[in-house]
Amino acid sequence: SAVISQKPSRDICQRGTSLTIQCQVDSQVTMMFWYRQQPGQSLTLIATANQGSEATYESGFVIDKFPISRPNLTFSTLTVSNMSPEDSSIYLCSVEDRTVLNEKLFFGSGTQLSVL
Amino acid sequence: GEDVEQSLFLSVREGDSSVINCTYTDSSSTYLYWYKQEPGAGLQLLTYIFSNMDMKQDQRLTVLLNKKDKHLSLRIADTQTGDSAIYFCASYGQNFVFGPGTRLSVLP
Repeated sequence: SAVISQKPSRDICQRGTSLTIQCQVDSQVTMMFWYRQQPGQSLTLIATANQGSEATYESGFVIDKFPISRPNLTFSTLTVSNMSPEDSSIYLCSVEDRTVLNEKLFFGSGTQLSVL
Repeated sequence: GEDVEQSLFLSVREGDSSVINCTYTDSSSTYLYWYKQEPGAGLQLLTYIFSNMDMKQDQRLTVLLNKKDKHLSLRIADTQTGDSAIYFCASYGQNFVFGPGTRLSVLP
């Protein structure tokens, strides 16, 4: 399985500022995803990070608020822009491991964000 | 859209078996998964089952799948305090869909 390093692991930020979260994978992967987990909630897919092209955003998420970079097959960043307390969540990077026999999703350790 | 449902809480005594249940709606699901999330951590893939299987056993974990009823369960034998966590059920058809998570509390 892929080893995914995500940082920072947690941060406390002021309203109106931005935070960039980094995700590094130990192998080349085609599909990388960013999820949000609001307090006490399940996971919501923010976007799919595509290498060499713009990210594909899910309904309710926009590039201006959550710009994503994917410069190569092992790295991606998610920026949470102009933060408000409603952005307080855990943000999770994930990668897909797809073979002929199975399909799995692996997660980084998450970034716990608190916005004051 | 597709949906995955789980009960939100489960409490068991240490040494007992835990059974966490899940229902899903996507009849095209090819894989079903159980993930574990400990406090302050990401999701750890515990086990998964292909949709043409009824059962999968992996040490203390037993997954049962009733495809007709779209019902999945995870049984943890000899539950330990280290098993206290949130357990997420997920389905994969066209995409991944996660349930709300079941918070398992293991009482001494």
